[in-house]
Amino acid sequence: EDKVVQSPLSLVVHEGDTVTLNCSYEVTNFRSLLWYKQEKKAPTFLFMLTSSGIEKKSGRLSSILDKKELFSILNITATQTGDSAVYLCAVSAGANSKLTFGKGITLSVRP
Amino acid sequence: DAGVTQSPTHLIKTRGQQVTLRCSPKSGHDTVSWYQQALGQGPQFIFQYYEEEERQRGNFPDRFSGHQFPNYSSELNVNALLLGDSALYLCASSAISGFVVTDTQYFGPGTRLTVL
Repeated sequence: EDKVVQSPLSLVVHEGDTVTLNCSYEVTNFRSLLWYKQEKKAPTFLFMLTSSGIEKKSGRLSSILDKKELFSILNITATQTGDSAVYLCAVSAGANSKLTFGKGITLSVRP
Repeated sequence: DAGVTQSPTHLIKTRGQQVTLRCSPKSGHDTVSWYQQALGQGPQFIFQYYEEEERQRGNFPDRFSGHQFPNYSSELNVNALLLGDSALYLCASSAISGFVVTDTQYFGPGTRLTVL
């Protein structure tokens, strides 16, 4: 059975800190790994990673995938209170791109 | 460009009742997937529809059924509701490219279902 594990499950930091969120996976027929941010309801897409070692970057957020060790990290630098959310890691597998999600990491950024 | 829309926003039902949730995909998308998200958990895959047919199904009982219409919109039906069906139901849309579903799925705001 496909499995995605995220750590830590929750994190409290102060504005300006840098955080690293972890995601490890075990899936059959891996296609890609995706990161989403969920604030109230709809998860919003952040990154999709398919190749090892290539960093994806968007503003203060960046992510990288290691397909040999089967994990990914999401980094957020200079955190802001607006970064407070649940960060979901999902792995796409098989021809139908079924997504298997981790439980999510709850990030709280204090002023 | 309209994103994924879902209705209703909230729903309260009692055990044993039946419910229908609706989803319209993002413009240009033809594939709809449904997920159940219990409190404090990540979304769990229910099933996926393409060309009005169920392509893949997760580990959910037959009480969960769906439909896709020619305009690509979709419905999720749950019969004989249980307390444990209380959750946020998310719809996600994606596109087919060369017979393969593209990986990036865009989510709607969800329907919060409460079963009493």
